[in-house]
Amino acid sequence: EVQLVESGGGLVQPGGSLRLSCAASGFTFNNYWMSWVRQAPGKGLEWVASIKPDGSQGLYVDSVKGRFTISRDNAKNSLHLQMNSLRAEDTSVYYCAKLRDSSTIFDYWGQGTLVTVSS
Amino acid sequence: DIQLTQSPSFLSASVGDRVTITCRASQDIRNYLAWYQQEPGKAPKLLIYTASILQSGVPSRFSGSGSGTEFTLTISSLQPEDFATYYCQQRNSYPITFGQGTRLDIK
Repeated sequence: EVQLVESGGGLVQPGGSLRLSCAASGFTFNNYWMSWVRQAPGKGLEWVASIKPDGSQGLYVDSVKGRFTISRDNAKNSLHLQMNSLRAEDTSVYYCAKLRDSSTIFDYWGQGTLVTVSS
Repeated sequence: DIQLTQSPSFLSASVGDRVTITCRASQDIRNYLAWYQQEPGKAPKLLIYTASILQSGVPSRFSGSGSGTEFTLTISSLQPEDFATYYCQQRNSYPITFGQGTRLDIK
């Protein structure tokens, strides 16, 4: 059974940093693209970033480029999102998601972790 | 960026009803469209991908169709567990984008 468990969310001041993690199990982690998708309170879904299976390439939505870094540790079956220079508009539930095959279809999602950026 | 516009944004229906949600893309995305269901307080769940392929385990009352710029999600006979918010998503090009969502409520 595929399981994705996020951690690392919390309250942070504007301009601060936070590192999210996602522990993956139930599939061969190093064979799949992985992503982060976020959802602001009461709003819709927004793709944030994706990373290749070998970790050699990350892709980002424009609004986080230069501030967020996606990475993975295939030896530990874990995905990470380093978030710097956080803004109020980054306040969201952040979901870790597995991509189906080599596509950009999100076939499994974690339960999400809430990041609140506020002074 | 490719914009996806769902209609309606809100829909009220009864158990047993047939409902259709439309997703329109701002440019041709071939059949690179997926649909997700999100219940309150839960993570989204993949229902349909490549416009019309049902994800494993999803009931057959869900179906998808369309190509190019216009797509539909149909639920043939609403069940109590189907009252949720539905999102379309395009994977034709980066950045990956989602529609704004359609909230389906019980009448």
